Amino acid sequence: EADIYQTPRYLVIGTGKKITLECSQTMGHDKMYWYQQDPGMELHLIHYSYGVNSTEKGDLSSESTVSRIRTEHFPLTLESARPSHTSQYLCASSELGDGYEQYFGPGTRLTVT
Amino acid sequence: AQSVAQPEDQVNVAEGNPLTVKCTYSVSGNPYLFWYVQYPNRGLQFLLKYITGDNLVKGSYGFEAEFNKSQTSFHLKKPSALVSDSALYFCAVRGSSNYQLIWGAGTKLIIKP
Repeated sequence: EADIYQTPRYLVIGTGKKITLECSQTMGHDKMYWYQQDPGMELHLIHYSYGVNSTEKGDLSSESTVSRIRTEHFPLTLESARPSHTSQYLCASSELGDGYEQYFGPGTRLTVT
Repeated sequence: AQSVAQPEDQVNVAEGNPLTVKCTYSVSGNPYLFWYVQYPNRGLQFLLKYITGDNLVKGSYGFEAEFNKSQTSFHLKKPSALVSDSALYFCAVRGSSNYQLIWGAGTKLIIKP
């Protein structure tokens, strides 16, 4: 079944730790996205990718980095977590082009203590 | 400036009554408009979109939306609300700078039995 997966679902980690949030999709989509969302608030685009070896920064300034070595995999890394990074992180994918809807993973809720 | 406005933080509707969730936008060029729904502790699900053509768009779960170019609006509607429609609803428009989605702040829809 085509789907989009995120792990872990919940993560509590101390300040200064390096973390990687995983995102994989079996949708066959070229385009992938990372959004940051505080509970009940709007989504902010932090990174996106058009395909392998393509990464772009979104509208929200972020200290995270991403990579796209395989079409189906789009991990997000925080080199040194801070309490200000506490949020929900949503991964999404879509077909290339402007008019296609995005499909979302279940999200990772990150708490940095 | 490009933006999406959802003027109501919360909408309360009795079960069986019609519902409307409002969205207005500001973007140059032809707008691509989307509605998504988010249930608690889950990712977003696509409901419907307007790209071109008929101003009345039908989507999932009995929802529809009407594109009004003169009022720059894309209100979400349903003729008869269900308790299970209670969720957070987001409107989004494709931006004309980097062609990524700009998201509204969300409207919490509460359907009372």
